[in-house]
Amino acid sequence: GAVVSQHPSRVICKSGTSVKIECRSLDFQATTMFWYRQFPKKSLMLMATSNEGSKATYEQGVEKDKFLINHASLTLSTLTVTSAHPEDSSFYICSARDSRTSGGFTYEQYFGPGTRLTVT
Amino acid sequence: GENVEQHPSTLSVQEGDSAVIKCTYSDSASNYFPWYKQELGKRPQLIIDIRSNVGEKKDQRIAVTLNKTAKHFSLHITETQPEDSAVYFCANGGATNKLIFGTGTLLAVQP
Repeated sequence: GAVVSQHPSRVICKSGTSVKIECRSLDFQATTMFWYRQFPKKSLMLMATSNEGSKATYEQGVEKDKFLINHASLTLSTLTVTSAHPEDSSFYICSARDSRTSGGFTYEQYFGPGTRLTVT
Repeated sequence: GENVEQHPSTLSVQEGDSAVIKCTYSDSASNYFPWYKQELGKRPQLIIDIRSNVGEKKDQRIAVTLNKTAKHFSLHITETQPEDSAVYFCANGGATNKLIFGTGTLLAVQP
């Protein structure tokens, strides 16, 4: 159980175009999902918290108009990189928290396999 | 702001030796402390986690200790094996639900 998928796994796009990345929780519901960006040999940097049915919460320094997040259902969040530039090339990883609780708050996050974005 | 310092950045040990990675956090409201192992190009995998009401937790060759007063926690891997070689990240979370990751440690276990 607790499987998170991402699509696509790899994408190459031209500068100025937009790219959409999907994050799905396959066997559980997730009211909250998270989007991270990871540059080579670096740590995961949280970009935003995606909340089902409401606006995403962006971390300081992350442009909300450039990285559009939509969390329209309990199993799907999408990240759209608009007007992509070469500096947006990175590994994008999502994670999801299981909405079910068992007598308390659920902390564990389940990670997707990541999407390698290359902007040429 | 919130941040997590992780040391060392690289660690090389001989097979069978122990490895220790340490993290220090700043957010006093943190109450969840997971450790992740990430292989090249793969997703982070949770290997062990600890809540703030516990000082130590062990799972076979892996253990984590937490000192909330000093705001630091450590990962201990005993009897290391070549397949333990990877990048390890600590993280901490709290009331805000989000996880803040450490800078990572590249562990190399020499056979």
